[in-house]
Amino acid sequence: AQSVAQPEDQVNVAEGNPLTVKCTYSVSGNPYLFWYVQYPNRGLQFLLKYITGDNLVKGSYGFEAEFNKSQTSFHLKKPSALVSDSALYFCAVRAYSGAGSYQLTFGKGTKLSVIP
Amino acid sequence: NAGVTQTPKFRILKIGQSMTLQCAQDMNHNYMYWYRQDPGMGLKLIYYSVGAGITDKGEVPNGYNVSRSTTEDFPLRLELAAPSQTSVYFCASSEPPGTGGGYGYTFGSGTRLTVV
Repeated sequence: AQSVAQPEDQVNVAEGNPLTVKCTYSVSGNPYLFWYVQYPNRGLQFLLKYITGDNLVKGSYGFEAEFNKSQTSFHLKKPSALVSDSALYFCAVRAYSGAGSYQLTFGKGTKLSVIP
Repeated sequence: NAGVTQTPKFRILKIGQSMTLQCAQDMNHNYMYWYRQDPGMGLKLIYYSVGAGITDKGEVPNGYNVSRSTTEDFPLRLELAAPSQTSVYFCASSEPPGTGGGYGYTFGSGTRLTVV
């Protein structure tokens, strides 16, 4: 069965410092990986995805993620954190659900707090 | 704006009551999903649909029902509400995998349901 693990419930980082939010996955076949962000009382918003190609993927709001096949990881990164980056971040992997259908399986989420 | 619209935004139900959560999308997406989000648990898939007239169970379908009579609408029905169904419910839609549309989901803003 496919799964996603986000080992940190919360990450605190000072404004201006680099940030990393960790994600590891388990899936059969080639992984399709995603990061979403959720601001308070809002739905999830797409940040970036890895389907194939370069291991470093760039997305919205200056975020990027590095795909590492040997470590089965897809960590989210940003060189310089902003207070406005404070939110809940979800990693997800596309999983086969049978009968030719696919769906996303989400991690439990990591709360990012950027301290002024 | 194009996207996924959920109604209502908030609802309080008494134990044993029933209700329907509405979800509509105007992007002509074939795939639609219902998730519930509980604190520290991430998102759990309740039901999904790959097109009008086709629905299937997700990870946590018990206590819920869905229908998909049109491409645009995917309502979620709660029969005999229980306190365990207190949660935030998100509807999402996507293009089918393989269409080149990016495989990402578009989420609605959610329905916060409390069962007392």
